[in-house]
Amino acid sequence: GAGVSQSPRYKVTKRGQDVALRCDPISGHVSLYWYRQALGQGPEFLTYFNYEAQQDKSGLPNDRFSAERPEGSISTLTIQRTEQRDSAMYRCASSSLRGGVFTDTQYFGPGTRLTVL
Amino acid sequence: RKEVEQDPGPFNVPEGATVAFNCTYSNSASQSFFWYRQDCRKEPKLLMSVYSSGNEDGRFTAQLNRASQYISLLIRDSKLSDSATYLCVVNFLNTGTASKLTFGTGTRLQVTL
Repeated sequence: GAGVSQSPRYKVTKRGQDVALRCDPISGHVSLYWYRQALGQGPEFLTYFNYEAQQDKSGLPNDRFSAERPEGSISTLTIQRTEQRDSAMYRCASSSLRGGVFTDTQYFGPGTRLTVL
Repeated sequence: RKEVEQDPGPFNVPEGATVAFNCTYSNSASQSFFWYRQDCRKEPKLLMSVYSSGNEDGRFTAQLNRASQYISLLIRDSKLSDSATYLCVVNFLNTGTASKLTFGTGTRLQVTL
């Protein structure tokens, strides 16, 4: 079946603009995660949802970053007033329920490469 | 100290060689452990979960040593297609439940002819 999809794949924006990054998880996956990955580093956690409820946003760097998942499926990560230091690969992942229990085996999407000029 | 530490490499090995990567983690209460593989410019993909008893999947063997807080990955009979970055991953919070994962920086493997 289809994997995690993200759009846009590439986004170039000017400093100060707002951007919205979209993630469509694997069909039926109830948990959705956002990570940020710098070159030469592993992904760094930002936030995650179970269904529509945001469970942990401890990784969001500051209040310019927010995420939502209003219907428990597609999620949007929004960065307001972008800065050059926000440039990175933003990755989304999802995981499923198994036997009624949330699992932590996460499947990643291709990412959105954000460049802030 | 980083929560999950790996030698970044690169490890350059000839085809057919056996290579091992280690990873250390900082929290003894850590719950779940994984190895992910990441090819250049691609997303991380789950290679295998790591269990206390150790587990094997073909040419790949993963071991967990809770007392010493390290995880290892052994690749036997290396193939050119094994060239990638191997990410050590820990769930520090909840056993087998939806939770954030903490990644190491990755160890780069280059297999040559």
